[in-house]
Amino acid sequence: AQSVTQPDIHITVSEGASLELRCNYSYGATPYLFWYVQSPGQGLQLLLKYFSGDTLVQGIKGFEAEFKRSQSSFNLRKPSVHWSDAAEYFCAVGHTGTASKLTFGTGTRLQVTL
Amino acid sequence: DTGVSQNPRHKITKRGQNVTFRCDPISEHNRLYWYRQTLGQGPEFLTYFQNEAQLEKSRLLSDRFSAERPKGSFSTLEIQRTEQGDSAMYLCASNTGFSTDTQYFGPGTRLTVL
Repeated sequence: AQSVTQPDIHITVSEGASLELRCNYSYGATPYLFWYVQSPGQGLQLLLKYFSGDTLVQGIKGFEAEFKRSQSSFNLRKPSVHWSDAAEYFCAVGHTGTASKLTFGTGTRLQVTL
Repeated sequence: DTGVSQNPRHKITKRGQNVTFRCDPISEHNRLYWYRQTLGQGPEFLTYFQNEAQLEKSRLLSDRFSAERPKGSFSTLEIQRTEQGDSAMYLCASNTGFSTDTQYFGPGTRLTVL
């Protein structure tokens, strides 16, 4: 069965510092991978996605993620964090069959200190 | 682009009552998904529609839950005889139906069962 693991429940970084959020997946075929961000009272917003091709994908708000098949990972990175990046971040794997439903990780809450 | 809308945003009910939530997807999106998110967890897939046809239901969707999308546009999710364990955020998403297409999420309906 497909699954997503986000090992870090809570991360605190200083504004201007770099960020890496970890995501490991389990999926039988080539996965479709997503990172979403959720702010309080807001819906989930897509940051970036990977389907095929270049394993380094660029997203919105200066985020990027790298797909590493050998490590079953899809870590999210940002070189310099802004206070407005404080939110909950979810990694998800998309099912490549007809349903295309998403399986999410448990999320990583990012706190940014000034 | 009005995005995915959900109503109500918050619902407080007493155990044993029935509740109904509504989701209006992005116009012309064929696929509509329902997810449930409990505190500290990522969203979990409940069910999805291709136009008016409900094509898959998760085992999480007990007999007390029913979803409809009668004209292939908006959808409703009804919970009968609510239980305290039903307290959660109910999220709706839509997309065009291609497996690589982004799912756009609404703000969710937060249900509290007393």
